Amino acid sequence: EAGVAQSPRYKIIEKRQSVAFWCNPISGHATLYWYQQILGQGPKLLIQFQNNGVVDDSQLPKDRFSAERLKGVDSTLKIQPAKLEDSAVYLCASSTWTGRRDTEAFFGQGTRLTVV
Amino acid sequence: QKEVEQDPGPLSVPEGAIVSLNCTYSNSAFQYFMWYRQYSRKGPELLMYTYSSGNKEDGRFTAQVDKSSKYISLFIRDSQPSDSATYLCAMSGGGGAQKLVFGQGTRLTINP
Repeated sequence: EAGVAQSPRYKIIEKRQSVAFWCNPISGHATLYWYQQILGQGPKLLIQFQNNGVVDDSQLPKDRFSAERLKGVDSTLKIQPAKLEDSAVYLCASSTWTGRRDTEAFFGQGTRLTVV
Repeated sequence: QKEVEQDPGPLSVPEGAIVSLNCTYSNSAFQYFMWYRQYSRKGPELLMYTYSSGNKEDGRFTAQVDKSSKYISLFIRDSQPSDSATYLCAMSGGGGAQKLVFGQGTRLTINP
């Protein structure tokens, strides 16, 4: 079974530029998550989708971050404009969760963003 | 105060040693407790998953949860160099995949 795919693996941009990350979840996984992992810290949930609807975006900095999940499959996370403190690894995860059965989240390898 | 506290280490032990990793938490709503292993430049992978209090064993790994003390532990027996990684505790009130709150991670090195 293929895992969660993310691209690009690495990205370096200047502050105030925009950047987008792409995620393809495991086939059949209804729920998709974006996490931010700053160096030396644990991942922090930014947004959770179930199919193409947002379940939780309470920790997403909406003034600069946006995310969408078209057709309930792939997802993109965008930052515009980027700040130095956005330097982090952006992890995408997916699960079969639909609100009824417990499950686990499977993580991709992440996109490492450096803002200079 | 962070919801989940984890000693970041680094922790370095000789091969074959017993390793103890710990996390404390403050949110009484947490019911699901997980340990993830993260190799360098990789995503986290689930290692152990426990619901509520108690112990769970899987091979060389044992997870313990003490909800009365708000304290969880991961023990690694007969540690191997391949166990060298960052270990993240994670907790949730809604399930094994729902709004996980992670600790800072402990960087572990097993020396041959």
